Amino acid sequence: GEDVEQSLFLSVREGDSSVINCTYTDSSSTYLYWYKQEPGAGLQLLTYIFSNMDMKQDQRLTVLLNKKDKHLSLRIADTQTGDSAIYFCAERGSYIPTFGRGTSLIVHP
Amino acid sequence: DTAVSQTPKYLVTQMGNDKSIKCEQNLGHDTMYWYKQDSKKFLKIMFSYNNKELIINETVPNRFSPKSPDKAHLNLHINSLELGDSAVYFCASSQGPTGTEAFFGQGTRLTVV
Repeated sequence: GEDVEQSLFLSVREGDSSVINCTYTDSSSTYLYWYKQEPGAGLQLLTYIFSNMDMKQDQRLTVLLNKKDKHLSLRIADTQTGDSAIYFCAERGSYIPTFGRGTSLIVHP
Repeated sequence: DTAVSQTPKYLVTQMGNDKSIKCEQNLGHDTMYWYKQDSKKFLKIMFSYNNKELIINETVPNRFSPKSPDKAHLNLHINSLELGDSAVYFCASSQGPTGTEAFFGQGTRLTVV
């Protein structure tokens, strides 16, 4: 099975908050990441969290890490249409980074 | 200036052909990667080079051969292309093999017909 799992789709209304969830299996994960992929583009790192942290906030983005449950979430406050993209969760324990399948975030007016 | 650039952006070719995708990074990073993204957006690492040496080689057919002439370049050569090779291939780089941030290229969409 996959080491990193995410739901495939999330639809929100503009102005609402979006919460994208991710679970992982590797207990030795050192860093956990959120990447954004816009259509026809490569992946862009949004934020990352070190495994000894519980939370990280960066402007509209809040990352929560529950290490016990191996659960990572990304909250986007005041979601805008420009936030529509695929969001990838990734973890890295050693040399090999592992990505989830991505969550397509659809923001509608 | 583009940090990680790949060429070509699109590649359409027939089964059985041999093709190469080139990647260059101007970030001064030590480590470069090739990823394959399938039609369902699943992103899987193929190879990683650190200082021109192969450090990750996932279960990839030996028709795929990476070549790193120097730290700033990692090219991917594919022999005897098959339909199942159709995907988007991403090059990435990071500062060291455990670097916190990987910078990705724009991707090369390979279509095998």
